[in-house]
Amino acid sequence: DTGVSQDPRHKITKRGQNVTFRCDPISEHNRLYWYRQTLGQGPEFLTYFQNEAQLEKSRLLSDRFSAERPKGSFSTLEIQRTEQGDSAMYLCASSLLGGSGNTIYFGEGSWLTVV
Amino acid sequence: KQEVTQIPAALSVPEGENLVLNCSFTDSAIYNLQWFRQDPGKGLTSLLLIQSSQREQTSGRLNASLDKSSGRSTLYIAASQPGDSATYLCAVATDKLIFGTGTRLQVFP
Repeated sequence: DTGVSQDPRHKITKRGQNVTFRCDPISEHNRLYWYRQTLGQGPEFLTYFQNEAQLEKSRLLSDRFSAERPKGSFSTLEIQRTEQGDSAMYLCASSLLGGSGNTIYFGEGSWLTVV
Repeated sequence: KQEVTQIPAALSVPEGENLVLNCSFTDSAIYNLQWFRQDPGKGLTSLLLIQSSQREQTSGRLNASLDKSSGRSTLYIAASQPGDSATYLCAVATDKLIFGTGTRLQVFP
């Protein structure tokens, strides 16, 4: 069990460029979550998958954001036409199942700076 | 809409003190409540998970309680150490986690 892995850990991009983050969940975890966190705030929910199905998307996930989880394994989060307000840490998490007893495990996050 | 509040926002204590961090939530229809630790610039580390049917959980010097009817949870840290300095986040779970804004803890020698 290698934990939740995120790549890249840091990304600096110019406004208007597209960026993509990858998340590899803990193997056999069928739930995968994406969160966004800005300085001094708690993580905000973006979206989650159960296997390959995207079950919920937050209003925070504008049309410029898209997430996929092909084959129910790794996931990607793409941000198109980045804006300075997109600067944040993007956190990925996974869990074995939903429900009461299942701990959600987080990765180390991917920092995005839009200049 | 579920809202999670943590008090205090920041706390600075000398080493050795016992301390209590508070978390409140507005909707008691939750699966569980988790407490996390976050070091600066890092991801979240799960500390304790309390299922909705439980009242408390303990791990080492940490004890978390849950009172679902009143929408409150506390995290008790015994004999605090400088290595406990971090931000502590509580989160309530339904199909996803809803987080508070955290308590930033500093324990000084």
